[in-house]
Amino acid sequence: GAVVSQHPSWVICKSGTSVKIECRSLDFQATTMFWYRQFPKQSLMLMATSNEGSKATYEQGVEKDKFLINHASLTLSTLTVTSAHPEDSSFYICSARSDSYPTDTQYFGPGTRLTVL
Amino acid sequence: GENVEQHPSTLSVQEGDSAVIKCTYSDSASNYFPWYKQELGKRPQLIIDIRSNVGEKKDQRIAVTLNKTAKHFSLHITETQPEDSAVYFCAASEGGKLIFGQGTELSVKP
Repeated sequence: GAVVSQHPSWVICKSGTSVKIECRSLDFQATTMFWYRQFPKQSLMLMATSNEGSKATYEQGVEKDKFLINHASLTLSTLTVTSAHPEDSSFYICSARSDSYPTDTQYFGPGTRLTVL
Repeated sequence: GENVEQHPSTLSVQEGDSAVIKCTYSDSASNYFPWYKQELGKRPQLIIDIRSNVGEKKDQRIAVTLNKTAKHFSLHITETQPEDSAVYFCAASEGGKLIFGQGTELSVKP
């Protein structure tokens, strides 16, 4: 149980275009989802927290107009990187948490590698 | 906000030896401390966690200790195997959010 999927697993796009990444909880209802960014050989940096049906809460320094997050249902959250630039190239990982499981335990998706040319 | 420091950044051990990774946190209100193992290009995998009402937890070759007073917690891996080689991250939960340490690259040499 507690499986989280992400799509796509990797994407290459041109500078200035937008990219949407989907995060799904496959066998549980995710009341909260989190989006992280991880640069090579670095730690996971929390970008934002999203709760179903409400606006995402962004961490300090993360541009909410550039990284659009939508948590429209209890099983799906999306991250859209708008007007992507090469510096946005990174590994984006989502995680999900459910009130049905031990609180605070997060289950991670497999990640999406974004390369902006 | 919470700040988590993790040491060492790299650790090399011989197969069969023990490995210890240490983390400190700043927010005394944090009450959940998971450890994740991440292989290159893969998702972080939860290997063990501990809550603030427990001082120690063990799962086969892996154990975690927590000292709330000193605000530090440690991961202990005994009888290391080459397949233990990976990057290990500690984290502390602040109001449901996980704040990660910088990571430790563990290399187990056969």
